[in-house]
Parts: sequence; C-alpha cells; structure tokens
Amino acid sequence: NAGVMQNPRHLVRRRGQEARLRCSPMKGHSHVYWYRQLPEEGLKFMVYLQKENIIDESGMPKERFSAEFPKEGPSILRIQQVVRGDSAAYFCASSPLEKGGWFFGPGTRLTVL
Amino acid sequence: AQSVTQLDSQVPVFEEAPVELRCNYSSSVSVYLFWYVQYPNQGLQLLLKYLSGSTLVKGINGFEAEFNKSQTSFHLRKPSVHISDTAEYFCAVSDGETSGSRLTFGEGTQLTVNP
Repeated sequence: NAGVMQNPRHLVRRRGQEARLRCSPMKGHSHVYWYRQLPEEGLKFMVYLQKENIIDESGMPKERFSAEFPKEGPSILRIQQVVRGDSAAYFCASSPLEKGGWFFGPGTRLTVL
Repeated sequence: AQSVTQLDSQVPVFEEAPVELRCNYSSSVSVYLFWYVQYPNQGLQLLLKYLSGSTLVKGINGFEAEFNKSQTSFHLRKPSVHISDTAEYFCAVSDGETSGSRLTFGEGTQLTVNP
C-alpha cells in the first residue's frame, strides 16, 4: 500500500507564475488536508477537503490560493501569481473515512525566485 | 481554540545521553496529543500519540511521552539517543482523531545529536 504521494518534490517558480502542487492520498482514504511550513516555523493548517468538497478552508489565504479534490485524480493546491513569501514546504496528509489519524506525504518544496 | 508551545527551539546533546523535548498545550476541549519527527527534506512521521488511557505512551525508536493534564504538558523523552535521532520534532494537538479534526502544531524542536 503506497503512502501519500506528492509531486513535484521540488518546484521553482518566478514571481507572478502559477504553482500547482499535487497530492495523491493513500488508497482508501477520502480525506485530504494541506499544511504549509514556512522556514523556521511549524506546520500551519490550510484546507481540508473530501472528494469534490471543500470542508474547511479557514487556513487558506484569501487571495491567489485555491484547492480541489476531484472525483478522479489527485488533490491540487494551486497558487496563482506567486510571490517570494509563498516559498515554503507544502505538506499533504490523508485520512480514512473514520478514525485512523493522518498520514503525511513527503512534501513539495516551493521556491519563488 | 488550541495551541501548542514547544519550549526549546534547539536541543544539542551527545550520543547516548538522555533527552527531553518539552511541549505544553492549551485547549478548551478534550485533547489528543501527538509527536511527529521530520528528517531533513522528508515528510512527517508519527512517533507516538496519546488518545486516552495510560498517561505514559511508548512510541517508535525508543521514544516515550507522558501526558500530564494538571501541567498541560506532553514531554517527549528518550533515555539514550543516537546520531540517527538528529531531526526536527513537532508536538501537535487535535480535538479528535476522526476525519474532520485537524492538527495544530508547535514550532518544532531541532534535536542535534553529537558524537
């Protein structure tokens, strides 16, 4: 059973470009969470999704950031018009329908030049 | 609202020495507590968790933690560390372990084990 997969592992973008981060949850998991880790800081919750639904996006910046988890395919975190302050590690976690805790992916490290 | 404070940002120790990484939390509801480890350029790996029951929790790699409700603490300990334990350690709190709950993390403690 493969773990949570994220790609790309490293992403470099210039200011103003778009960044797309992908997360494939563990098999059988229908809940996905995105967290952001800024340099020298802990992880901060961004958004919680179920298939085709955003359940809690209270941690998402109001502008430029969006997330989706379609019926088929991976969850996508999209950052439009990136700025240097978006440079961070973005982690995805998945959980099963009921109890079971969270399983984290290896993260995508975004660098904005 | 929940919050976590990790009291030490960096902890250097020598190999085979004991170590304690401190964590205090605040929460207005029942808490579930976790310790995660992050090796360089990797994701988070669960070390141990407290959900209920015995306040002394044993995890992987010889780590253990004790839940102290009166002091609102969940300190992580290991009696003898190895070089390979060098990593970032995160304490986290949640109001549940079911889907829909989310983790609130501390700022992390960098453990460096020196020969």
